[in-house]
Amino acid sequence: AQSVTQPDIHITVSEGASLELRCNYSYGATPYLFWYVQSPGQGLQLLLKYFSGDTLVQGIKGFEAEFKRSQSSFNLRKPSVHWSDAAEYFCAVGERGNEKLTFGTGTRLTIIP
Amino acid sequence: DGGITQSPKYLFRKEGQNVTLSCEQNLNHDAMYWYRQDPGQGLRLIYYSQIVNDFQKGDIAEGYSVSREKKESFPLTVTSAQKNPTAFYLCASRGAWRGEQYFGPGTRLTVT
Repeated sequence: AQSVTQPDIHITVSEGASLELRCNYSYGATPYLFWYVQSPGQGLQLLLKYFSGDTLVQGIKGFEAEFKRSQSSFNLRKPSVHWSDAAEYFCAVGERGNEKLTFGTGTRLTIIP
Repeated sequence: DGGITQSPKYLFRKEGQNVTLSCEQNLNHDAMYWYRQDPGQGLRLIYYSQIVNDFQKGDIAEGYSVSREKKESFPLTVTSAQKNPTAFYLCASRGAWRGEQYFGPGTRLTVT
């Protein structure tokens, strides 16, 4: 069965500093991988996705993620965070032919001035 | 504008009452999903539907029911059998060939 681990429950970063949110997955074949962001009381917004090809994918709001098959990881990065990036971030994994996604438990990001 | 709508935003019910949450999409997506979100637990799948008049149980279907009579609509009923119904409920849809799901704004249900 698929599983997704986001080892960091809460991360605090200074505004302007770089960010890396970790995501590890357990899956046998090449998965579909996603990062979503959720502001308090809102739905989830898709930041970026990986299906195949180039392992470094660019997303919206200046985010990027790198798929590393050898480490079963899909970490999310941003070179310089803004106060508006404060939110909860979810990693998700899917597979070809499977209608379902498996979500991690999320990482809450706090930005300090 | 294309998207997913959920109504109402906030819903309050007394224990023992059934309640139905609305989810509508105009993205022409085939698949639709219902998730429950509790603090610290991420998203848990309740039910999903790949096509009209067909749906499957997710991981936590007990105490919930759904219908899919139209492609655009996938309402969720929280029945009195659901032991702990207070939660944030999210609806999502997925296009026919892409893997990503698109989410509605959610409904916060409080049962007292």
